[in-house]
Amino acid sequence: GDSVTQMEGPVTLSEEAFLTINCTYTATGYPSLFWYVQYPGEGLQLLLKATKADDKGSNKGFEATYRKETTSFHLEKGSVQVSDSAVYFCALRISGAGSYQLTFGKGTKLSVIP
Amino acid sequence: SQTIHQWPATLVQPVGSPLSLECTVEGTSNPNLYWYRQAAGRGLQLLFYSVGIGQISSEVPQNLSASRPQDRQFILSSKKLLLSDSGFYLCAWSVEGRGNQPQHFGDGTRLSIL
Repeated sequence: GDSVTQMEGPVTLSEEAFLTINCTYTATGYPSLFWYVQYPGEGLQLLLKATKADDKGSNKGFEATYRKETTSFHLEKGSVQVSDSAVYFCALRISGAGSYQLTFGKGTKLSVIP
Repeated sequence: SQTIHQWPATLVQPVGSPLSLECTVEGTSNPNLYWYRQAAGRGLQLLFYSVGIGQISSEVPQNLSASRPQDRQFILSSKKLLLSDSGFYLCAWSVEGRGNQPQHFGDGTRLSIL
């Protein structure tokens, strides 16, 4: 079956540090890939997405590149802020008719300290 | 633009009581609708999804049920709650029939069972 594996947290960084959250996947078909962010007490917000190999999704200074050869979609940001503290979820969805389910990783909690 | 609303935001219920959580979507027609549960320390688990009025698919056997009485309304119910039903419940929608489109989440309902 389809699965997503994220690096386990929590991750604690100082403000302005470089962030990488690793995400790898296994999929039975051709997936679209997503990163979601969940701030404390809130629902999930779509952060960025990529729908085909070598696509780069970007938003709010975050980036992730769809690497089919390594089945990865690592999230990066060059300089994190305290306001980036949240839980980050990597997810995939198989393209095609009848495809409904998002498969999520378990989430990585990021804490950024001043 | 499209918006999704969930209510209530928090709920405390005794074991054995009934449950009704409501979700509505605005600004789109014939969306796919989803109910997820996020238990403490775990990822997201898909409970139900719906591709149209009256069409419900269940992903996990349990004492919960879902209904879609109108195109943009999705309801999660239970006749008798269990302690294990505690968690954070998230409703989501996506564009109908497009596997490469993301799901968009509401703010969630935090359910505590006493």
